[in-house]
Amino acid sequence: DADVTQTPRNRITKTGKRIMLECSQTKGHDRMYWYRQDPGLGLRLIYYSFDVKDINKGEISDGYSVSRQAQAKFSLSLESAIPNQTALYFCATSDRTTGVNEQFFGPGTRLTVL
Amino acid sequence: QKEVEQNSGPLSVPEGAIASLNCTYSDRVSQSFFWYRQYSGKSPELIMSIYSNGDKEDGRFTAQLNKASQYVSLLIRDSQPSDSATYLCAVNKEGGKLIFGQGTELSVKP
Repeated sequence: DADVTQTPRNRITKTGKRIMLECSQTKGHDRMYWYRQDPGLGLRLIYYSFDVKDINKGEISDGYSVSRQAQAKFSLSLESAIPNQTALYFCATSDRTTGVNEQFFGPGTRLTVL
Repeated sequence: QKEVEQNSGPLSVPEGAIASLNCTYSDRVSQSFFWYRQYSGKSPELIMSIYSNGDKEDGRFTAQLNKASQYVSLLIRDSQPSDSATYLCAVNKEGGKLIFGQGTELSVKP
């Protein structure tokens, strides 16, 4: 089945460490997104990419960076993790050709920064 | 004013009843609207999309859109305990982004 996968699924790290979250998809979609979810704050967009050469900041990009290594891969990095980046992180994809932006989510990465 | 607003709930309904979930949005140019279901600790799952005024039915789910009132709703008929989840309303914003509401927690009691 065409799918969106994320690695790792759980990660505990310490303040100041650099970590990378990875997202891969076999849906053939061109657009990819990174969100974080915090209790009471809903889903917030961190970064998004419409193709390999197009990277855009979302509403909460500070402290994060991304890399679109291929159409199917989109990585999120925390350069120097801090405790308030503890959250559930989701990758999502959509297909530009449909024109309606239905987004499909990966299983998520639960990140804890101590 | 938040761009997409939902009552956080929890909304509690008895098994077999109709659950009604509501969402309002602020951007009049939005054209695509979505409902996602999210079980605790899991990822959002797309359950309904709606683009035109009126009703759209899919099984036990009906999405309703009123662009003049900037209002989207989701009705779940014959609610089951397995429908207990958080329901997220999402609105497509110009530029290819989705804006999500905070979600409404639904609890269906046996």
